[in-house]
Amino acid sequence: SQQGEEDPQALSIQEGENATMNCSYKTSINNLQWYRQNSGRGLVHLILIRSNEREKHSGRLRVTLDTSKKSSSLLITASRAADTASYFCATVQGAQKLVFGQGTRLTINP
Amino acid sequence: DGGITQSPKYLFRKEGQNVTLSCEQNLNHDAMYWYRQDPGQGLRLIYYSQIVNDFQKGDIAEGYSVSREKKESFPLTVTSAQKNPTAFYLCASSIAGSIYEQYFGPGTRLTVT
Repeated sequence: SQQGEEDPQALSIQEGENATMNCSYKTSINNLQWYRQNSGRGLVHLILIRSNEREKHSGRLRVTLDTSKKSSSLLITASRAADTASYFCATVQGAQKLVFGQGTRLTINP
Repeated sequence: DGGITQSPKYLFRKEGQNVTLSCEQNLNHDAMYWYRQDPGQGLRLIYYSQIVNDFQKGDIAEGYSVSREKKESFPLTVTSAQKNPTAFYLCASSIAGSIYEQYFGPGTRLTVT
């Protein structure tokens, strides 16, 4: 079952603009994680936000979590061509496994 | 140089043959995972292991088998019973359980014809 659902499915912006991706989930969570995947590669962990946190920053990344709305957003500021990738949110289902959404395909146009 | 490796990167097999995908990690992680990814889709969990000599089925375990005889290794066998085996397979590991971040290998693209 898909716990996290990303929105939009695809996003295309100009280099230098900000990119915002959203994730909604259905059940209560322990934490929510964001991953990046370059085409044909493995996933890279970006950031983990715990259920008692509302916002977290890492470099040009900003993640927010609203547990009352069961949603999270990932903001990438001042986008670069190298940010072109698919971005996935993942939530912990039970204590044992991460459940991934279908991802947002982000394209940064030079 | 710590990390998680998968081999081979590309694998081709004839229908009806079993094939084993390798996954090795030197991160000293207890937990390891196998995922399947189809084009344009997210990841689906096949099997996971929290400790040596123990593993559990994920959401799509039918047609797959695993073993965890060593902490560093978690091979996945795609059997002939898997009806649609062509996919991108990703292995991951974490310290202990999914509440922690997972580290992924580069993946193996399996094509069965």
